[in-house]
Amino acid sequence: AQSVTQLGSHVSVSEGALVLLRCNYSSSVPPYLFWYVQYPNQGLQLLLKYTTGATLVKGINGFEAEFKKSETSFHLTKPSAHMSDAAEYFCAVSEGSGGSNYKLTFGKGTLLTVNP
Amino acid sequence: DTGVSQDPRHKITKRGQNVTFRCDPISEHNRLYWYRQTLGQGPEFLTYFQNEAQLEKSRLLSDRFSAERPKGSFSTLEIQRTEQGDSAMYLCASSLGWGEGTEAFFGQGTRLTVV
Repeated sequence: AQSVTQLGSHVSVSEGALVLLRCNYSSSVPPYLFWYVQYPNQGLQLLLKYTTGATLVKGINGFEAEFKKSETSFHLTKPSAHMSDAAEYFCAVSEGSGGSNYKLTFGKGTLLTVNP
Repeated sequence: DTGVSQDPRHKITKRGQNVTFRCDPISEHNRLYWYRQTLGQGPEFLTYFQNEAQLEKSRLLSDRFSAERPKGSFSTLEIQRTEQGDSAMYLCASSLGWGEGTEAFFGQGTRLTVV
């Protein structure tokens, strides 16, 4: 069974400040890991994903995340927050090589607020 | 390519009524997924189709729920005898296969309110 824990249901930063959204996962097999963003009344948009290979993954809108197997973490960062980054962010895991690897297990989400 | 389309975007229904939602995936995508998202939670997997075959159903999908994808294109999700606990956002996603190089694209969702 897989699970995702997102630390902090709400993170508030100033415009231009570092964004750090934390995600820890549990998986019995090597995982695929994802970050999605959801704007109000919208669906989910993929920011980035880790499957295999390089552990530092770069995504859209200047976001990146690093897979740390020893810490079972996949934290999302952005060096400088922009007002347009305000949204809810979801971390998700799937079984990388398992038969049900299409099934995403999501965390509860972190609401990012960006203050001017 | 207009992305994944869901209809309606919002639905308010009285408890005990039946409702049906539609999802039109990206045209060449052979895989289609339904998720449910309640307030303050992340999306939860409900079911998955490969072409017209429904290959997995979550335990969250009670007998009151039924999903179909008759010709391997659009899909419908029906909820019979709705209950207040069914109030949620129902998200549809599609992908072309699944693996390292693929991505699930999500629709904007159907928000259901049961009163």
